[in-house]
Amino acid sequence: QVQLQESGPGLVKPSETLSLTCSVSGGSISGYFWSWIRQPPGKGLDWIAYIYYSGGTDYNPSLKSRVTISVDTSKNQFSLKLSSVTAADTAVYYCARHRLGGYEFDYWGQGTLVTVSS
Amino acid sequence: EIVLAQSPGTLSLSPGERATLSCRASQSVRNNYLAWYQQKPGQAPRLLMYGASNRATGIPDRFSGSGSGTDFTLTISRLEPEDSAVYFCLQHGSSPRAFGQGTKVEI
Repeated sequence: QVQLQESGPGLVKPSETLSLTCSVSGGSISGYFWSWIRQPPGKGLDWIAYIYYSGGTDYNPSLKSRVTISVDTSKNQFSLKLSSVTAADTAVYYCARHRLGGYEFDYWGQGTLVTVSS
Repeated sequence: EIVLAQSPGTLSLSPGERATLSCRASQSVRNNYLAWYQQKPGQAPRLLMYGASNRATGIPDRFSGSGSGTDFTLTISRLEPEDSAVYFCLQHGSSPRAFGQGTKVEI
């Protein structure tokens, strides 16, 4: 059974960079697309970006100028960096795997709350 | 950019009743790449349906999906108490991927 686990600071100061890592266990990161998705408290879901195991990427235009997504196949991990954060970036951040064939998100991490506050 | 509108915002029903949830896209969803998710408080979303009408692994057959193009429906027949949740649709046929705002089902 594939499992995903987000890790990173739960509190980030305004204007700083949010950094999160998703560790994949129970399966290989190779051969799949992987995404970051966030959910502000009490609100809906926003797709942030995806990366293919070999490095191809796509970003949500609303965040593209501030987002970097990367992958480390040797560690079976992928990462997110979001720069110049504000309170509007406070959210639960999820990592997720794209299902082979259809590419919707079939496995999700439990999510990690990141609060932007001084 | 495709925008998804879900209706109704909240659905209050009794056990055993049928729930019909709508997801309408601002443009045609390529290849009917429309998925449905269930999210309970404090949990990650759970994939219910993909390709508009295909049940994901382990999803009971009281969940069904239909539709094509811009209009999609998730039907839950014979509601059970554990179906209380927020349901989201997702289009992943074009970039950026987008979710609907959700429908809350109260039982």
